[in-house]
Amino acid sequence: GQQVQQSPSSLVLQEGENAELQCNFSSTATQLQWFYQSPGGSLVSLLSNPSGTKHTGRLTSTTVTKERRSSLHISSSQTTDSGTYLCAIDPNNNNAPRFGAGTKLTVKP
Amino acid sequence: GPKVLQIPSHQIIDMGQMVTLNCDPVSNHLYFYWYKQILGQQMEFLVNFYNGKVMEKSKLFKDQFSVERPDGSYFTLKIQPTALEDSAVYFCASSLDSNQAPLFGEGTRLSVL
Repeated sequence: GQQVQQSPSSLVLQEGENAELQCNFSSTATQLQWFYQSPGGSLVSLLSNPSGTKHTGRLTSTTVTKERRSSLHISSSQTTDSGTYLCAIDPNNNNAPRFGAGTKLTVKP
Repeated sequence: GPKVLQIPSHQIIDMGQMVTLNCDPVSNHLYFYWYKQILGQQMEFLVNFYNGKVMEKSKLFKDQFSVERPDGSYFTLKIQPTALEDSAVYFCASSLDSNQAPLFGEGTRLSVL
């Protein structure tokens, strides 16, 4: 079955609104990473957050390992935030990250 | 900053032919990865590679697939023979160590006709 499930599958916001993205995973993992995939397809790492809370810029990730879930909060969204946000875990602790299907975010001006 | 380079960005090949996808990872990185993404679908793990060996491969890594990094140069994914369902974007990635998020290339779009 799916090892990484992300919700919602898509999200539409007005510029300035906040976004809350969810990631649930089916196995304990020492690695949890959030990535951004641009509409053109390139992938960029946003945060590595296997547990606790981490901040970078307008992004905040909170991972509760024992509950096998992580969230990504985007504050004051901008049109350039539009794209797909992917959560990835390493289920076998073998440095082989598996991705969820992603949340497609659209931020309208 | 450091980049993972994948050239060319698009390859077109006839079904049944062999294709080699090339990846130029970051020079001091030790871990290498290939992922496959069919248009509009999920990013799927294929294989990772460390110290000259495959560490883990997924069910998508068919017998027709092979990877190598001869003499520390390009990290390659070879498909022989190709099938129509191999059409996808193939992303290469590399990382310095097992705790670092992989750095991805821009991908090579493979079209099998």
